[in-house]
Amino acid sequence: KAGVTQTPRYLIKTRGQQVTLSCSPISGHRSVSWYQQTPGQGLQFLFEYFSETQRNKGNFPGRFSGRQFSNSRSEMNVSTLELGDSALYLCASSFRPGAVSNEQFFGPGTRLTVL
Amino acid sequence: DAKTTQPPSMDCAEGRAANLPCNHSTISGNEYVYWYRQIHSQGPQYIIHGLKNNETNEMASLIITEDRKSSTLILPHATLRDTAVYYCIVRVVNAGGTSYGKLTFGQGTILTVHP
Repeated sequence: KAGVTQTPRYLIKTRGQQVTLSCSPISGHRSVSWYQQTPGQGLQFLFEYFSETQRNKGNFPGRFSGRQFSNSRSEMNVSTLELGDSALYLCASSFRPGAVSNEQFFGPGTRLTVL
Repeated sequence: DAKTTQPPSMDCAEGRAANLPCNHSTISGNEYVYWYRQIHSQGPQYIIHGLKNNETNEMASLIITEDRKSSTLILPHATLRDTAVYYCIVRVVNAGGTSYGKLTFGQGTILTVHP
């Protein structure tokens, strides 16, 4: 079974631009979560989607947004990029958020560099 | 979610057991203990989870104290490939057995396995 796929793997943007990152969950998984990882703040939760609905949101500004499609694939968008947005963006999928185990499978991440 | 405290780093000799402690003194009755690890440049990987009983799977064992205020992850025969950052996370599971996907990561423990 294929794992979580994230595209692109690496991205370089300049301040003020916007970026869209994509995540394809494991086949059959319907829940997708996004995380940001930086050396200073560590791993921080961005948001979670299930059945095309945002179920939970972390403490990030409105420049960060996401969506989920009917095939469970998800995208996140960051508008008006700032230098501090440089990070590894990780996507995680799980079968459904209701299970106690709710083991989450993480993708390899997208490394975003903002110049 | 309850906060966790882990030592910043630990060393272990290859072939020996690695015992990683975690304090979660404010854990509440509906919070589970989860362990994930992150090998350099990869996404986090689920290891194990538990509520109050000791748990074992093919990767590790989880020992939770009777008062649930602390736990220990045991890698029985550490290998060089177990060198990673290990995260102890507590997560609320609602009364109906449902939970959100959000994982609150701390700084984790950097485990270095030496030859």
